[in-house]
Amino acid sequence: SAVISQKPSRDICQRGTSLTIQCQVDSQVTMMFWYRQQPGQSLTLIATANQGSEATYESGFVIDKFPISRPNLTFSTLTVSNMSPEDSSIYLCSVVLGSPYEQYFGPGTRLTVT
Amino acid sequence: AQKITQTQPGMFVQEKEAVTLDCTYDTSDQSYGLFWYKQPSSGEMIFLIYQGSYDEQNATEGRYSLNFQKARKSANLVISASQLGDSAMYFCAMRDPGNQFYFGTGTSLTVIP
Repeated sequence: SAVISQKPSRDICQRGTSLTIQCQVDSQVTMMFWYRQQPGQSLTLIATANQGSEATYESGFVIDKFPISRPNLTFSTLTVSNMSPEDSSIYLCSVVLGSPYEQYFGPGTRLTVT
Repeated sequence: AQKITQTQPGMFVQEKEAVTLDCTYDTSDQSYGLFWYKQPSSGEMIFLIYQGSYDEQNATEGRYSLNFQKARKSANLVISASQLGDSAMYFCAMRDPGNQFYFGTGTSLTVIP
């Protein structure tokens, strides 16, 4: 397994501002993902962030709104830009470890936009 | 098309009883993985159990077991001897050969004392 930490654990932000969420893993991993979970909903994949390449965004998510950095094999950031109340969600980072490719999640960042 | 279906939005179980959470999946791939996660009110996603598509034995992890019926494309989670701390949302997920994960809509389990 992997130990994953996220910062901040929660935040309340004003509309129109940006928030950067950090994800730190205790081991080197190639595959890292960012998910959004809106209240009462399942997880929605925002993007895949593999080290050494540009993040791959899912339909409905764009780089201008959710820029991602992946500077090394243990760290990634997700920025939620120009926030609106609809961005209020839990944001989770996850990693996939080698065979059998199990996915482990960070503790999540609970974001509220007012 | 929905890849993972969880038909039970909410379930109740008496403490110390067993409960089965249903999950069906849709894939034409031969190689895939099936997962169950627990999400308490704190929001973290806790990995519970994994079943590979080629595994012939049902996976077990402590009080959790996965009832894998490949022909029916079902991967139900069985929790034995329920505890109050088991009250949470439970998500079934599938990994495809490209390591894309698909999540169900979740089942909210409440354990009654």
